[in-house]
Amino acid sequence: ELKVEQNPLFLSMQEGKNYTIYCNYSTTSDRLYWYRQDPGKSLESLFVLLSNGAVKQEGRLMASLDTKARLSTLHITAAVHDLSATYFCAVDERDSNYQLIWGAGTKLIIKP
Amino acid sequence: NAGVTQTPKFRILKIGQSMTLQCTQDMNHNYMYWYRQDPGMGLKLIYYSVGAGITDKGEVPNGYNVSRSTTEDFPLRLELAAPSQTSVYFCASSPGVASGNQPQHFGDGTRLSIL
Repeated sequence: ELKVEQNPLFLSMQEGKNYTIYCNYSTTSDRLYWYRQDPGKSLESLFVLLSNGAVKQEGRLMASLDTKARLSTLHITAAVHDLSATYFCAVDERDSNYQLIWGAGTKLIIKP
Repeated sequence: NAGVTQTPKFRILKIGQSMTLQCTQDMNHNYMYWYRQDPGMGLKLIYYSVGAGITDKGEVPNGYNVSRSTTEDFPLRLELAAPSQTSVYFCASSPGVASGNQPQHFGDGTRLSIL
């Protein structure tokens, strides 16, 4: 059974600092997705990582994928308050009709 | 551009009542999904569909039913509502295999309370 674990589950940090959220998964997969969810809102796609070594960046967020280690990271550079949200990773199990298995989410609070 | 539209946005049900959560998408996506999200948790897949007339169970299908008569619509039916079904329900769609590994697009959710 595919499991997806995120850590930390909660992170409070100061503006201007750097930090990394980790996403580990338990079985073979080449497709990993990062989403953002603001309180009471829907989920917004941030990144799609499709191969080992994939790296994508958007503004202060950078995501990477290491399929051999079964690990993805979401790195936040010089955090700003607007990045406060819950971040989810999800893994697409091979031959699964694009079913995604979701991590529990990392609630990120960035203080001014 | 509407994307994925869910109705209603909020609903309170009594135990034992039934209701249908509506989901429609205008992106001509083949794949559609229903998830539930409990407070402070990730998403759990209830049912999914890979095209009109084809549905399959996800991780937590008990107490729910779906149908997919058209590409656009994927309603979720709750029969005999129970307090354990109190949750936020999200519908999502994606192009599927034909368009590569594009992400799923989500509706705004339906917040359902069973009292």
